[in-house]
Amino acid sequence: AQKVTQAQTEISVVEKEDVTLDCVYETRDTTYYLFWYKQPPSGELVFLIRRNSFDEQNEISGRYSWNFQKSTSSFNFTITASQVVDSAVYFCALSDPDDKIIFGKGTRLHILP
Amino acid sequence: KAGVTQTPRYLIKTRGQQVTLSCSPISGHRSVSWYQQTPGQGLQFLFEYFSETQRNKGNFPGRFSGRQFSNSRSEMNVSTLELGDSALYLCASSLLSGPSGYGYTFGSGTRLTVV
Repeated sequence: AQKVTQAQTEISVVEKEDVTLDCVYETRDTTYYLFWYKQPPSGELVFLIRRNSFDEQNEISGRYSWNFQKSTSSFNFTITASQVVDSAVYFCALSDPDDKIIFGKGTRLHILP
Repeated sequence: KAGVTQTPRYLIKTRGQQVTLSCSPISGHRSVSWYQQTPGQGLQFLFEYFSETQRNKGNFPGRFSGRQFSNSRSEMNVSTLELGDSALYLCASSLLSGPSGYGYTFGSGTRLTVV
């Protein structure tokens, strides 16, 4: 069965520090998609990235970067030079064979000024 | 372009009552999915509707039901409410069926409290 593990329940860092959120997934599918979503206090889940299983290229978007390693079934997310506005809950997710999204439990990130 | 709109934002109901939540997807999106978010269980898939047909269903009791109208708006209904149904209910829309092709866009959710 598909599973997403975000071992870090809560992380606190001081503003401008770099922070990495870990994500490990389990699936027997050869074709799948991985996602990261951000949930600010307003509650809405904000899409950050989608990566398909055949594309292991790392991606950078501004201060955000993602490291996808199929060999270790990991899809980690790094925020460089963190800002207070980055404070939120971050979810890693995986598509299942029925094309539903399976979410991890989330990592609550606190950026301290 | 308007986002996904969920109404109401907050709701308080009594155990045993029923409730209907509404979701209006992004214009042109034909798929609507519903998720329940609780502190204990996290985000769990309820069901997905595409072109007025239920395409997928999660592992929830029959008290949870939904439907989709011809304009793609969707409603979900929970009957005989239990305290454990207290949660944030999130709706997500996508252009095509499922999240993988184009990804989901989520609404801000309806926070249901059952007392």
